[in-house]
Amino acid sequence: GAVVSQHPSWVICKSGTSVKIECRSLDFQATTMFWYRQFPKQSLMLMATSNEGSKATYEQGVEKDKFLINHASLTLSTLTVTSAHPEDSSFYICSAKGGSGSYNEQFFGPGTRLTVL
Amino acid sequence: GENVEQHPSTLSVQEGDSAVIKCTYSDSASNYFPWYKQELGKRPQLIIDIRSNVGEKKDQRIAVTLNKTAKHFSLHITETQPEDSAVYFCAATAGKSTFGDGTTLTVKP
Repeated sequence: GAVVSQHPSWVICKSGTSVKIECRSLDFQATTMFWYRQFPKQSLMLMATSNEGSKATYEQGVEKDKFLINHASLTLSTLTVTSAHPEDSSFYICSAKGGSGSYNEQFFGPGTRLTVL
Repeated sequence: GENVEQHPSTLSVQEGDSAVIKCTYSDSASNYFPWYKQELGKRPQLIIDIRSNVGEKKDQRIAVTLNKTAKHFSLHITETQPEDSAVYFCAATAGKSTFGDGTTLTVKP
């Protein structure tokens, strides 16, 4: 149990376009989902925390109008990178709380590698 | 907010030796401390965790210790094997997790 999927696993897009990334908890209801960004050889930087049915809480320095997060159900959260630019190229990973783990444990998705040309 | 420092950034050991990675945190509200192993291009995998009401936890070759007073916690891997080579992250959690910068562990056969 406690499987989290992400789609797509990788995407290449042109500068100026928008990209949507989906994060799904496959076998449990996720009360909270997190979105992280990871640059090569660096740590995971939390971008935002989302709870089902409410607005996401963004970390300082993260533009909420550029990184749109929707958490419409207990099993799905989406991150849309709007008007993507090359500097947005990164590895985006979601995680979800809930399921069979302790109430603190996060289950990570496999990540989405975004390349903006 | 929370600040987590992790040391060392790189660690190289011989197979069979022990490896120790240390982290400090700043927010006394943090009450959950997971450790993750991440291989290149893959998702972080939880390897062990500890809650603030526990001082030590062990799972086979892996152990974690927590000193809540000093706000530091450590990962200990004994009898290291080449497949232990990866990047290890600590995290301190108070609702949300703040990650350390990672330690690249290389186990030489």
